Amino acid sequence: GAVVSQHPSRVICKSGTSVKIECRSLDFQATTMFWYRQFPKQSLMLMATSNEGSKATYEQGVEKDKFLINHASLTLSTLTVTSAHPEDSSFYICSAPTGTNYGYTFGSGTRLTVV
Amino acid sequence: DAKTTQPTSMDCAEGRAANLPCNHSTISGNEYVYWYRQIHSQGPQYIIHGLKNNETNEMASLIITEDRKSSTLILPHATLRDTAVYYCIVRSHLFYNQGGKLIFGQGTELSVKP
Repeated sequence: GAVVSQHPSRVICKSGTSVKIECRSLDFQATTMFWYRQFPKQSLMLMATSNEGSKATYEQGVEKDKFLINHASLTLSTLTVTSAHPEDSSFYICSAPTGTNYGYTFGSGTRLTVV
Repeated sequence: DAKTTQPTSMDCAEGRAANLPCNHSTISGNEYVYWYRQIHSQGPQYIIHGLKNNETNEMASLIITEDRKSSTLILPHATLRDTAVYYCIVRSHLFYNQGGKLIFGQGTELSVKP
């Protein structure tokens, strides 16, 4: 079935640095990628939608200059958390529509810890 | 997309059937019911979906009431590995409606106990 590979699975970074998270569609073309954030004991919150070759669309309240999204190819979308702070520590998950009845497939998530 | 209401948490004994309810009283005619689950610290996993007929696959069964205002996900023989948060999501089968977004509610935390 359709697989989205997400890396890294865990990352610890210092406050003020930037972190890049990659999501690759392995056996299908992902023209759209959704990025979610999940805090402990909470549900997934949609942050933004990226479309190949165009600017990402951000949900209300999400800072586009802080969470840079690039979708340069049909198989790769990246999320860069810039100038990370401890409050950005969270679980980040990407998801792509598969074009089948399965609907959407999800990456395995990235646990970001900012110290 | 129609909103859904699920119990916050449920327990189930290992080997027994787990029945997870979902209310979606404002569902419209072209909206499907999807179920996903999220095991701790992993990405969500698709389980099953349906429009109005009952559905069954290797993972679960989905029972949708005749008026489509509620549904029940059934895990016939729950195992410890089924412990997860289960999300019931209602959305149009047309991907690009609402920008194709999949919006998650709070879900039900299912604990399968030995």
